[in-house]
Amino acid sequence: DAKTTQPNSMESNEEEPVHLPCNHSTISGTDYIHWYRQLPSQGPEYVIHGLTSNVNNRMASLAIAEDRKSSTLILHRATLRDAAVYYCILRDMVDTGNQFYFGTGTSLTVIP
Amino acid sequence: DSGVTQTPKHLITATGQRVTLRCSPRSGDLSVYWYQQSLDQGLQFLIQYYNGEERAKGNILERFSAQQFPDLHSELNLSSLELGDSALYFCASSVWGDTEAFFGQGTRLTVV
Repeated sequence: DAKTTQPNSMESNEEEPVHLPCNHSTISGTDYIHWYRQLPSQGPEYVIHGLTSNVNNRMASLAIAEDRKSSTLILHRATLRDAAVYYCILRDMVDTGNQFYFGTGTSLTVIP
Repeated sequence: DSGVTQTPKHLITATGQRVTLRCSPRSGDLSVYWYQQSLDQGLQFLIQYYNGEERAKGNILERFSAQQFPDLHSELNLSSLELGDSALYFCASSVWGDTEAFFGQGTRLTVV
């Protein structure tokens, strides 16, 4: 999988929007952009994914740059339950086998 | 509940022993992934199976092996256990290589 780069940590105040950036300058045309998060002592949880267009679901929004070399996960109103490590991952749509690397992610702290 | 079931939840064993971790994927998911997460470490990809066949291999030790059975459940076998093998072991499943993956709650292995 192509490499992604994320800040090690970010802070947000509760009930404010959070923008988590991810750079993936070597993304290929067949790579989907996936976001997962891991709460303490739990397994990772799928958040959202997209290919080219911006995506919204009940958990978050994903904004993808026009050149696809970066993306931003948007949590519209951070809650204390959103404190987690957020991972940005690229997944090849045509490959049934790939190594699905997580990287170091961004540790989000939500301040009450 | 992600739909992925891992058993057992906790396992304590002595050095030199062998253990088997079991994973039942979500219904319909053909891909199974195994990860190791040591204390305060990231998720290390171990191995992936797709419809019974090994498709990708990560940093899996030779003392570790896995397989996916015809009913699609998977087992991770860890042998000649060392203290350093103490970790959380996660299983994930997905329909295809690029689709969202769902993680189990993990098996916490403690080697004493």
